[in-house]
Amino acid sequence: AQSVTQLGSHVSVSEGALVLLRCNYSSSVPPYLFWYVQYPNQGLQLLLKYTTGATLVKGINGFEAEFKKSETSFHLTKPSAHMSDAAEYFCAVSPAGNTGKLIFGQGTTLQVKP
Amino acid sequence: SQTIHQWPATLVQPVGSPLSLECTVEGTSNPNLYWYRQAAGRGLQLLFYSVGIGQISSEVPQNLSASRPQDRQFILSSKKLLLSDSGFYLCAWSRETQYFGPGTRLLVL
Repeated sequence: AQSVTQLGSHVSVSEGALVLLRCNYSSSVPPYLFWYVQYPNQGLQLLLKYTTGATLVKGINGFEAEFKKSETSFHLTKPSAHMSDAAEYFCAVSPAGNTGKLIFGQGTTLQVKP
Repeated sequence: SQTIHQWPATLVQPVGSPLSLECTVEGTSNPNLYWYRQAAGRGLQLLFYSVGIGQISSEVPQNLSASRPQDRQFILSSKKLLLSDSGFYLCAWSRETQYFGPGTRLLVL
């Protein structure tokens, strides 16, 4: 069975610092991997996704993630945090070829300090 | 382009009252549709998903039900609300990637 673990329910960084949000997954088949962002009282917005091909995926708002099969990881990074990046971030996995059903991690709340 | 709508945006209901939340998708046909609940401080819980009209799969036994009367319409219902039904309800549609609606905040008092 597939599962997703996000290490750290809360991450705090200073404005301008590197953002690193960790995600590890377990899957018996090559997965599709996703990162979503949720601002307060809003729905989830797709940041980026990995399906096949290049393992370094670039998304919106300057975020990127790298699929590392050997480490079963899909960590999200951004070189320089902005105050507007403060939100909750969800990593999700879907087995390749699935109809789109996702398994989500528990989420990581990113706080950005001025 | 595709858009997804949910209403109402906010709802306050007494315990024991019925519930109907609606989700509609525009700009696509035969999408997979999903209902999630997000309780305060917790992650996303998949409640129901549908791969076609009248086809509903329930992920968690509970006080809620779902229906898909039309291709791009997904309804979440309850006959009698419980306090524990409070939360933020999200609808999503997908082919390969899931896209989420704006959500409905439900408070049961």
